[in-house]
Amino acid sequence: DAGVIQSPRHEVTEMGQEVTLRCKPISGHNSLFWYRQTMMRGLELLIYFNNNVPIDDSGMPEDRFSAKMPNASFSTLKIQPSEPRDSAVYFCASRNRDRGQPQHFGDGTRLSIL
Amino acid sequence: QKEVEQDPGPLSVPEGAIVSLNCTYSNSAFQYFMWYRQYSRKGPELLMYTYSSGNKEDGRFTAQVDKSSKYISLFIRDSQPSDSATYLCAMSSYSGGYQKVTFGTGTKLQVIP
Repeated sequence: DAGVIQSPRHEVTEMGQEVTLRCKPISGHNSLFWYRQTMMRGLELLIYFNNNVPIDDSGMPEDRFSAKMPNASFSTLKIQPSEPRDSAVYFCASRNRDRGQPQHFGDGTRLSIL
Repeated sequence: QKEVEQDPGPLSVPEGAIVSLNCTYSNSAFQYFMWYRQYSRKGPELLMYTYSSGNKEDGRFTAQVDKSSKYISLFIRDSQPSDSATYLCAMSSYSGGYQKVTFGTGTKLQVIP
């Protein structure tokens, strides 16, 4: 039973470059979440999709961040241009939207912007 | 004031000890309560999930919810070195027609052999 799959696991890039993070949710799950985790702020919700439609993107920090979900089995989070303060671990999570079902997380992408 | 407060620790205990991890919250609308365990360089893994006040037991783990006091706890009996991880409490409510989850910042636990 495959869990949430994220790629790449690690990304190191220079400031100003475009970064694309990828997520494959658990098959059959119809809700997908992107989080950012830092020591200072913990886990922060960036954006939430339901049935591939963005529902709440109020957590997206700036216009430099964008997310898409072209189909039920794939989502991307893009940062353009990247800045050093974007360095963090980015997690994708999915769940079945049936009321009360918990979220299941991937192992994250560790992003370092130099 | 944060909606969910959790002591960051670190908490260090000897193997075999009973561990108590706690969170307080301020939002009365929270309905579902969860505990996640996060090992270093891994994603949070769901440990316990409960809806109502009271206790829920799963092996060495017991989750306790007191809605009147807005307080939840996770107890680990006979702690093992493999329990060393960061434990995140999480709570959810329905807002705007969907479930919103708020996480605590996590408590780092170390179980010493």
